Amino acid sequence: QITLKESGPTLVKPTQTLTLTCTFSGFSLSTSGVGVGWIRQPPGKALEWLALIYWNDDKRYSPSLKSRLTITKDTSKNQVVLTMTNMDPVDTATYYCAHRLGGTVTDNWFDPWGQGTLVTVSS
Amino acid sequence: SYELTQPPSVSVSPGQTARITCSGDALPKQYAYWYQQKPGQAPVLVIYKDSERPSGIPERFSGSSSGTTVTLTISGVQAEDEADYYCQSADSSGTYLVFGGGTKLTVL
Repeated sequence: QITLKESGPTLVKPTQTLTLTCTFSGFSLSTSGVGVGWIRQPPGKALEWLALIYWNDDKRYSPSLKSRLTITKDTSKNQVVLTMTNMDPVDTATYYCAHRLGGTVTDNWFDPWGQGTLVTVSS
Repeated sequence: SYELTQPPSVSVSPGQTARITCSGDALPKQYAYWYQQKPGQAPVLVIYKDSERPSGIPERFSGSSSGTTVTLTISGVQAEDEADYYCQSADSSGTYLVFGGGTKLTVL
């Protein structure tokens, strides 16, 4: 059974850097084809893909947020970390991590997802 | 930037068929995926690779593709199907992922 859980601060101040950790079980990020993605959802709004990291350390970022995002993995700890710099109130959202499935690296979908963690950006 | 377009809302009566569309220029080249999200819950995958159904998803959920539009069809809609539905795909290169704006399915 695959499970994922997000952890990190619930409140950050504007201009601060957000660091979120996804701790997972039931799979290994050293296995070929495996990946973990981050997706966020502002309150009452749509899902937005942020970043994706593959077993071979290949990384993909949303073009609109690329300059602010860094995704890394710690295979020994079964963790993936997302950092987002220069946080703004518009970044207030529930942040999800999810297990990536797919054949080639151009086919990517997510199943299952973590429960999500709400991050509020406010002074 | 690449976008996927969904209708904001769809309403059907119980037992009827609901069809939710998703349009995007790269859909002839890239697969689409569908997620169901109920209030306060994480999204759940209901269709992958345009028309494949994951194990555990009821047979009333199906997907299809035609040109630049993909469609999620829910046959014999039940009250429990009331949720937000999101399509997901990628740009023409397959490098960048994108979600549609979501469709709220209301069961009357």
